[in-house]
Amino acid sequence: SQQGEEDPQALSIQEGENATMNCSYKTSINNLQWYRQNSGRGLVHLILIRSNEREKHSGRLRVTLDTSKKSSSLLITASRAADTASYFCATAGSSNTGKLIFGQGTTLQVKP
Amino acid sequence: SQTIHQWPATLVQPVGSPLSLECTVEGTSNPNLYWYRQAAGRGLQLLFYSVGIGQISSEVPQNLSASRPQDRQFILSSKKLLLSDSGFYLCAWSWDYNEQFFGPGTRLTVL
Repeated sequence: SQQGEEDPQALSIQEGENATMNCSYKTSINNLQWYRQNSGRGLVHLILIRSNEREKHSGRLRVTLDTSKKSSSLLITASRAADTASYFCATAGSSNTGKLIFGQGTTLQVKP
Repeated sequence: SQTIHQWPATLVQPVGSPLSLECTVEGTSNPNLYWYRQAAGRGLQLLFYSVGIGQISSEVPQNLSASRPQDRQFILSSKKLLLSDSGFYLCAWSWDYNEQFFGPGTRLTVL
């Protein structure tokens, strides 16, 4: 079964609002990554957070990781219409084989 | 800079026909290579990954196979396609075991 479960499955907000997406996983990890996918396109890496980190920022993105709860969240602040896309979390296992296990994704719609 | 190519971009094939999807990476050497499949509205399922020429690991037993004849070339094949093989196929590469860089994908429809 998939390692990552994301919540919510779909999110619709107004431009300027913040968007929060959550990801839960089941086994120990080396790192957790977030990717973005525009419709019908390949995935683009957004941010990576290692298992010994609790929070990371990149521009308008903020990622948190709680290994005790096996969960992560992605916050997009001051959203823009161009942020409309699907967002996936992916976990790299602690055995560090290079394999990523992806969640089912959150579809974000930002209305102008 | 590194780039990753996939072709064809779209493909419509009848059930029972063979398949060959190609992925090539430019601008790097000895990358880890990955094939994923994405069903509509779903996450990615890892199909195969390779850490070197001729080294292929299969994640899900199925109707597909993969080969890596050259360092930066990764091929996904099938001898006889099934309806369930329809989907969006993505190739990716990584230097290490961290972020992966994805190609534009191939949309496969099996009729």
